[in-house]
Amino acid sequence: QQQVKQSPQSLIVQKGGISIINCAYENTAFDYFPWYQQFPGKGPALLIAIRPDVSEKKEGRFTISFNKSAKQFSLHIMDSQPGDSATYFCAASKSNTGKLIFGQGTTLQVKP
Amino acid sequence: NAGVMQNPRHLVRRRGQEARLRCSPMKGHSHVYWYRQLPEEGLKFMVYLQKENIIDESGMPKERFSAEFPKEGPSILRIQQVVRGDSAAYFCASSPPVGTGELFFGEGSRLTVL
Repeated sequence: QQQVKQSPQSLIVQKGGISIINCAYENTAFDYFPWYQQFPGKGPALLIAIRPDVSEKKEGRFTISFNKSAKQFSLHIMDSQPGDSATYFCAASKSNTGKLIFGQGTTLQVKP
Repeated sequence: NAGVMQNPRHLVRRRGQEARLRCSPMKGHSHVYWYRQLPEEGLKFMVYLQKENIIDESGMPKERFSAEFPKEGPSILRIQQVVRGDSAAYFCASSPPVGTGELFFGEGSRLTVL
């Protein structure tokens, strides 16, 4: 019930393409869904986050789509760039606890 | 840089030694969290602390691991009698007093146990 399942494990996209990463959760008490970006040797950095009262949130080239009934959410990276090459983690938590349950991560490679 | 500061960035210990990892939260943040990242895996919650209080330690191994966040000074994650399986990256995160759920992570401390 505490798991967050993320797919795919790795992704290769051409420059300018759309990168899509999916996550699914089980615990309906979760009410905060962030995405983190992590470069090798660095700490995770918050990219974008959504709460279940909206179905979509967009910030620049990054969009979260949220499907409450299916208990799924996804990250879309439009116009993917080589600088986006990193590992992306979805996460979920409840009630602003700060206790994030992370997905397993997706390694994205954007080819020039 | 007013970000979350962790040290040491890299630490090598032999089996049976102790490891101490330190974390100074962002200015104005009073909540500290420790997460562990094993190679090729996601981050796992370990413990949530406020000044002088452990709020949630449900992710901490029952033995050898302890954490504190004293009134003065950084938060400390202490691992006694380290074993090879403790080799991982340990990340500290902080959040402001009024919770938004947003965590700000440090760059991590990478522990290698020989």
